[in-house]
Amino acid sequence: NAGVTQTPKFQVLKTGQSMTLQCAQDMNHEYMSWYRQDPGMGLRLIHYSVGAGITDQGEVPNGYNVSRSTTEDFPLRLLSAAPSQTSVYFCASRPSGGLYQETQYFGPGTRLLVL
Amino acid sequence: GDSVTQMEGPVTLSEEAFLTINCTYTATGYPSLFWYVQYPGEGLQLLLKATKADDKGSNKGFEATYRKETTSFHLEKGSVQVSDSAVYFCALHNNAGNMLTFGGGTRLMVKP
Repeated sequence: NAGVTQTPKFQVLKTGQSMTLQCAQDMNHEYMSWYRQDPGMGLRLIHYSVGAGITDQGEVPNGYNVSRSTTEDFPLRLLSAAPSQTSVYFCASRPSGGLYQETQYFGPGTRLLVL
Repeated sequence: GDSVTQMEGPVTLSEEAFLTINCTYTATGYPSLFWYVQYPGEGLQLLLKATKADDKGSNKGFEATYRKETTSFHLEKGSVQVSDSAVYFCALHNNAGNMLTFGGGTRLMVKP
């Protein structure tokens, strides 16, 4: 049971380049989310999904796309990277019901630098 | 909208000192409250939670009580250790939505 995994751990991009941050979980959780972490601002929700085929915007969705074709995977796409997207990105998942439905499980993060 | 406010850090303490990290929130309804901890180079881990007023969450010597009258969820520990050095995040989950709302985080540094 690997929990929530993210790749890559670190990435450097040039302005305008595109890339996909990968996230996978093996806990059969319905809910998955992407957050970005910036100094002094805590974590802010980018996009989330309540199940395969269903996604919705969070607090800061601009510049990011997501899709959810399977329960396990929830990739985050940057179509044209900007320096303002320099951040640490965390993927998280949680079950939709049961005792632990409100507890999020976080991946180790992807540190992104956009030059 | 919902919001969480934490005391700004860093908080620097000597080993075995008493710790308090303040957290207050604004939310409609009856949110659940959480403390997450982030150790250097790692993702966030749930430290403790409380789901209703007057509940006390506890784990690893840390405690926090859900105070609805003061909309607070302050984190306390009686005797900190160097291994407690980390960033601590207060968060709430509002049953009306699907997302966690986080505070800005408080960095704790414990010196031997």
